[in-house]
Amino acid sequence: DTAVSQTPKYLVTQMGNDKSIKCEQNLGHDTMYWYKQDSKKFLKIMFSYNNKELIINETVPNRFSPKSPDKAHLNLHINSLELGDSAVYFCASSQDSSGWETQYFGPGTRLLVL
Amino acid sequence: AQTVTQSQPEMSVQEAETVTLSCTYDTSENNYYLFWYKQPPSRQMILVIRQEAYKQQNATENRFSVNFQKAAKSFSLKISDSQLGDTAMYFCAFRANNLFFGTGTRLTVIP
Repeated sequence: DTAVSQTPKYLVTQMGNDKSIKCEQNLGHDTMYWYKQDSKKFLKIMFSYNNKELIINETVPNRFSPKSPDKAHLNLHINSLELGDSAVYFCASSQDSSGWETQYFGPGTRLLVL
Repeated sequence: AQTVTQSQPEMSVQEAETVTLSCTYDTSENNYYLFWYKQPPSRQMILVIRQEAYKQQNATENRFSVNFQKAAKSFSLKISDSQLGDTAMYFCAFRANNLFFGTGTRLTVIP
């Protein structure tokens, strides 16, 4: 069974479009995250939710809006896509937000904006 | 601000040999956690090993061990008896509040 799953795995779209990436975890974790990995492989946190509440919101454009309908899901909606949004987006989850708990990562979604 | 530095963009090691990946970090926090993640070509991020800053004993997980030097803010990863499946990007990460990653070291294990 996949612990953290993301859909879609690949996403190719035109500039200006709106797209969503879905994430689900079946580990019973309280905390979920979104990370962005750029072309140079640099991985940076974007958002974190704990029990459906936003707890971390790094400097990310307002075009990115996370939504957590329940503890097991954290979706990422991106409006008005730009070329610079092309990256691999990783969802992750951990038991809690304490810092010690291992973060389990999803397989990533490769987004290409043309 | 916290920063994580991995000064070796690429490394290679012969199969069965030992290799050490370096990582340094900068923080004013006293309580924090350190991690090494592996990212194989499949892109999946996999936890390799973790260390609590208040523990002096170095963490060990099978063939993987760390050399944690808190005063020097250094957290290197040693891989013993390297295997072909160890070929991957390795990311050092630091967490006080958020999880900060280094820029990664690409390790290639040569048969």
